[in-house]
Amino acid sequence: DAGVIQSPRHEVTEMGQEVTLRCKPISGHDYLFWYRQTMMRGLELLIYFNNNVPIDDSGMPEDRFSAKMPNASFSTLKIQPSEPRDSAVYFCASSPMDTQYFGPGTRLTVL
Amino acid sequence: AQRVTQPEKLLSVFKGAPVELKCNYSYSGSPELFWYVQYSRQRLQLLLRHISRESIKGFTADLNKGETSFHLKKPFAQEEDSAMYYCALTCRTGAGKSTFGDGTTLTVKP
Repeated sequence: DAGVIQSPRHEVTEMGQEVTLRCKPISGHDYLFWYRQTMMRGLELLIYFNNNVPIDDSGMPEDRFSAKMPNASFSTLKIQPSEPRDSAVYFCASSPMDTQYFGPGTRLTVL
Repeated sequence: AQRVTQPEKLLSVFKGAPVELKCNYSYSGSPELFWYVQYSRQRLQLLLRHISRESIKGFTADLNKGETSFHLKKPFAQEEDSAMYYCALTCRTGAGKSTFGDGTTLTVKP
């Protein structure tokens, strides 16, 4: 297994643009997590899914952020419109139960 | 509610010196504790978990339920140990969600 796959690895966009981050979890993992990592705030859990169903989205900063998981092998995190303060590394992780397996992250820069 | 505290944001030691990264937790049930490591510009990866009682890359961690701690230790630090370390807790009753500490950046100086 290639592990958790994320795309793109780097994204540079301008304020106000829509950004879509993608994640392919490890096959057979029931849980999928989206995190945001910044120097100031560390690692923050944004949302997580169990069997494609969103369980807890309390970490989503505001309505500009949305996440979907249409099937067991794909999830997206969308920011619309993006703002400079959204600049961060966004990690996706999947888990069979307790241990989490992280993707390489998407480094987002909003100018 | 569960909580993980890593009191040191930064820790610096010399090569060959012992190192201890502190982790304290609060949780009313029976927790599963983990240490994850993130090398420079890489993904987070599992270092060890208390339930397996392994030693990985010379690191060990013992769950102390009395002190609600899960400190990570290594007797002789190496330069390649320089990284960010996260302590995390998952409740055994399921839900799959882990609570992470704020992380400790370890720098091992030559």
